Parts: sequence; C-alpha cells; structure tokens
Amino acid sequence: DVVLTQTPPTLSATIGQSVSISCRSSQSLLHSNGNTYLNWLLQRPGQPPQLLIYLVSRLESGVPNRFSGSGSGTDFTLKISGVEAEDLGVYYCVQSTHAPYTFGAGTKLELK
Amino acid sequence: QVQLKESGPGLVQPSQTLSLTCTVSGFSLTSYSVHWVRQHSGKSLEWMGRMWSDGDTSYNSAFTSRLSISRDTSKSQVFLKMNSLQTEDTGTYYCARTGFAYWGQGTLVTVSS
Repeated sequence: DVVLTQTPPTLSATIGQSVSISCRSSQSLLHSNGNTYLNWLLQRPGQPPQLLIYLVSRLESGVPNRFSGSGSGTDFTLKISGVEAEDLGVYYCVQSTHAPYTFGAGTKLELK
Repeated sequence: QVQLKESGPGLVQPSQTLSLTCTVSGFSLTSYSVHWVRQHSGKSLEWMGRMWSDGDTSYNSAFTSRLSISRDTSKSQVFLKMNSLQTEDTGTYYCARTGFAYWGQGTLVTVSS
C-alpha cells in the first residue's frame, strides 16, 4: 500500500502567518493516464473532511485562494498564505492513484 | 445541491454484521462513484471501498472478505455490509463522492456487548 507521510504532525501559527505542510508518498502518484490523484482535505472539529485541493494544485470551488498546492511524483506541499482562524483543524493528504487509496496521518493546525 | 447522508445502527454487538446506508441527492449514482471511509476516534481516515458509477466495486484488502458494498440506483442509495465486527471496528463511518469532494456527516458505530 502507498504510505503518505505528512510533516509536521502539529503546526502552531499566528493569524496572518504563512505555513506549509508536506506530504511525501512511498511511490509515485503519477497515474498512467497522466493525472496525479493527490488531494488535500481539512477536517474541522466535529465535522467531516472538506476538500480543499484536488489533482495536486487545483483549488476546489468556494475554497479561498490563500490555499495552494504544489508538487509532483512523490513530494507534495499545501501552503496557506495568511492563516485565518477558520483554517484551524486537521489537514490530510489523500491519494487515489493506487488502490487501496490512502490518507496521511494528518497535520493539526493550532493557534500559537 | 449535492448531499450524502449515512444511516444505520449506532450500536452493534461483537461478531455481528454492520449494515449502513448512504442516501445521496443532487447527483446520480450512475454518473459518480461513492466511497466508504472509516475514522477511529481521534485518528486518521481509512478507505474501505468504492462503488463505481458502472456498478463495479473495489475494496481495501485490509477488510479481506468481511466487506460488501452494493447499491440501489432507483433509491439513490449505497449500502455497506461488514461482518464479524470486533471492538476495533468502532468508529465514524463516512460516505463520500468521487474525488472526496462531498462527504456525509458520518455515522458513529460502536461495537460493544
């Protein structure tokens, strides 16, 4: 199974600070069809996950453009340019290139 | 708008079978696939399986032969059945649409006697 390693596990930030989360895969997530199925999700306390970024860098409709995704192959990054209070929660990367689909362990974003 | 809603028993006895229903609206099951995802309390997410739009299914081998996913397109419902439940199967079960773009609120299942 593909292992997604997220770092850091916990991130403390002040409002307005820019932060990045890394997601490294144990194998390339480039599908034979040319797409890379790596998404980023945010789960706020008591809520289901919410899609932020799909196909590495595409912003889901309605998601603020302070969120951005980048990367290729096995290394991916989610960046938040100017953290806001509503961004607090746990961030997960998820891959659906290789079955079984797998999730990272999560990165908890807290207020400093 | 797109909605998914899980339903099922909150409590299941060990060794029994779990049956969950995901009722969807705002899209057709013949156009989009639906995933089942589990989350243990305070832990990460675990992909269980998928009902494809063409009716095919894919499963996480971690669940070996315990898991079955089916659907009723006329009722816009996707079903999960998992047998031989153990206490470690306690958690919140979600259904989600293709690409994990839309999720249900989840249903908490507790396995206990």
